Amino acid sequence: DADVTQTPRNRITKTGKRIMLECSQTKGHDRMYWYRQDPGLGLRLIYYSFDVKDINKGEISDGYSVSRQAQAKFSLSLESAIPNQTALYFCATSDLVGRTVANTGELFFGEGSRLTVL
Amino acid sequence: AQKITQTQPGMFVQEKEAVTLDCTYDTSDPSYGLFWYKQPSSGEMIFLIYQGSYDQQNATEGRYSLNFQKARKSANLVISASQLGDSAMYFCAMRALGNEKLTFGTGTRLTIIP
Repeated sequence: DADVTQTPRNRITKTGKRIMLECSQTKGHDRMYWYRQDPGLGLRLIYYSFDVKDINKGEISDGYSVSRQAQAKFSLSLESAIPNQTALYFCATSDLVGRTVANTGELFFGEGSRLTVL
Repeated sequence: AQKITQTQPGMFVQEKEAVTLDCTYDTSDPSYGLFWYKQPSSGEMIFLIYQGSYDQQNATEGRYSLNFQKARKSANLVISASQLGDSAMYFCAMRALGNEKLTFGTGTRLTIIP
């Protein structure tokens, strides 16, 4: 089983609908992130959370909200989806940099959730 | 603010040749980390290699090496003896010390030709 699991993997929805993308992890990491990927734009950070009580906006948070239900769960919501939110969404986790000598702060990604808004 | 620039949208390379993927970065932080990820057509993000800004030697991981030139702010990925399975999108990313978010470049699509 994957260490970082995203559901759903694919979703087609209509403009105005509420959508939730869910992420769960078994890596025991405190830090969780949501990125979106668009062709030609790379990955851009939507929201991130360094522990259950800590939620922070990334560079493109407008139109999105998140919930950190537990250390292992971090969900992304689109309250009223619009077509330009069509993208590939990634959840990722990381460990505290410096917790171990070998830890570089690399991100561990889920398999992605492809969202299409019509 | 941090910025990553990948100027090669796409590259075609003959199988078994070496390939260099360019990455330049901009940051005012004195301490930072640089990462390369591979994204095959299946979509997952695979971590390849890491370079710390204070590391004395260039990082290597198997066929991957990172050509780190700190004064030029470049962190190019070198793949030796390319294989068909190397065909993928490649992303360069960086993280500044104390800022645990990664900033990504726009990626380079590498295609290996048989």
